[in-house]
Amino acid sequence: EVQLLESGGGLGQPGGSLRLSCELSGFTFNNFAMTWVRQVPGKGLEWVSSISSSGTTTYYADSVKGRFTISRDNSRNTLYLQMNSLRVEDTALYYCAKHQEILHYYAMDVWGQGTTVTVSS
Amino acid sequence: QSVLTQPPSVSGAPGQTITIACTGSRSNIGSVYDVHWYRQLPGSAPKLLIYGNTDRPSGVPDRFSASKSGTSASLTITGLQADDEAVYFCQSYDTSLMFFGGGTKLTVL
Repeated sequence: EVQLLESGGGLGQPGGSLRLSCELSGFTFNNFAMTWVRQVPGKGLEWVSSISSSGTTTYYADSVKGRFTISRDNSRNTLYLQMNSLRVEDTALYYCAKHQEILHYYAMDVWGQGTTVTVSS
Repeated sequence: QSVLTQPPSVSGAPGQTITIACTGSRSNIGSVYDVHWYRQLPGSAPKLLIYGNTDRPSGVPDRFSASKSGTSASLTITGLQADDEAVYFCQSYDTSLMFFGGGTKLTVL
């Protein structure tokens, strides 16, 4: 069974850092692009960042560019999101999602259950 | 203001047909990029409903269909059922960046 399990969420301080992880099982991780999507409870989905299957190409939403870094360790079947210079508006439920193919232009066919990030002093 | 615009809500009675529009522009839906649709039930992660503008993943009933024309896309649900109540999101790309529509809450009356 294909599964994604996020971790690393919690309470972060404004200006601080958190690192999210997303561990994958049940498929060949390095064949697929991956994405982080966040959602404030009761609100819509906001794309955060995507990474190609090889890890060589990354994309970021303007709201996080320069502060967040997406990466992947294909040997560990794990996706990461390093979140620096945290802002209160980064507070959300963060989902990782797998794409159908090597690039993020394909749909996201498997989603994790999310990990909650709260930024507050 | 989202790059992709959806109506905040739609409603229909059981058995009826509803359509959710997703309006974009020439740089996103009107370009080479595909539109994908997701459904999110309360308290759950989004789930892929339609990919590549018109295709259904295995397990998605053929009551769900979608299309893309010009700078807009649409999702149609026929034979509405009570458990179709959810929020539906369209998703596409603009200059290689990903965008979601604001989401449409479907209420089955």
